[in-house]
Amino acid sequence: DSGVTQTPKHLITATGQRVTLRCSPRSGDLSVYWYQQSLDQGLQFLIQYYNGEERAKGNILERFSAQQFPDLHSELNLSSLELGDSALYFCASAGGGRAGEQFFGPGTRLTVL
Amino acid sequence: AQKVTQAQTEISVVEKEDVTLDCVYETRDTTYYLFWYKQPPSGELVFLIRRNSFDEQNEISGRYSWNFQKSTSSFNFTITASQVVDSAVYFCALGLSGGYQKVTFGTGTKLQVIP
Repeated sequence: DSGVTQTPKHLITATGQRVTLRCSPRSGDLSVYWYQQSLDQGLQFLIQYYNGEERAKGNILERFSAQQFPDLHSELNLSSLELGDSALYFCASAGGGRAGEQFFGPGTRLTVL
Repeated sequence: AQKVTQAQTEISVVEKEDVTLDCVYETRDTTYYLFWYKQPPSGELVFLIRRNSFDEQNEISGRYSWNFQKSTSSFNFTITASQVVDSAVYFCALGLSGGYQKVTFGTGTKLQVIP
């Protein structure tokens, strides 16, 4: 158990809909990262927040947004969903231990029908 | 730009064989970190090792060992006497110094250990 929690575990929705994925980092970690893992594209970095502020951005679509709240939990919002958005979404946290080491949550499996 | 290449897409070995997973990275930074993660069939990502660019000493942990060679920009992972439980996808990753920057992952190597 990494100490990072993600909800929900599974999510099934339809095209055009909007969903919110939630992540709670390990106690003491200030940084939250979001990744998308799809079958054909491997593990793609989406975005990072550090203590409530956006710190780095990767290949995140404009339809996607994220935020980190004062209690350090983070939410990833996915809107106007397309079939290709079906993937495993991971959250990772860092900051309480050695620099660079990220601890991953169990992931949210999103299926868009 | 950073890049991590795991040229081996899938590897199959028979139980008790040794297997090496290759990882080649590219970065212009002189200070960076390298990682290996394991993703078993259950889906979670498990941290295995972190190595910083100034520490080229090889590391052994049980049946796992890592060979870091800065001269060839490689960070290879060897499993000795493989077991069925080692079956998983293994990811090599590269992160910059400063702690909280994005980490670039390789595309992963799927290892299947056949009993």
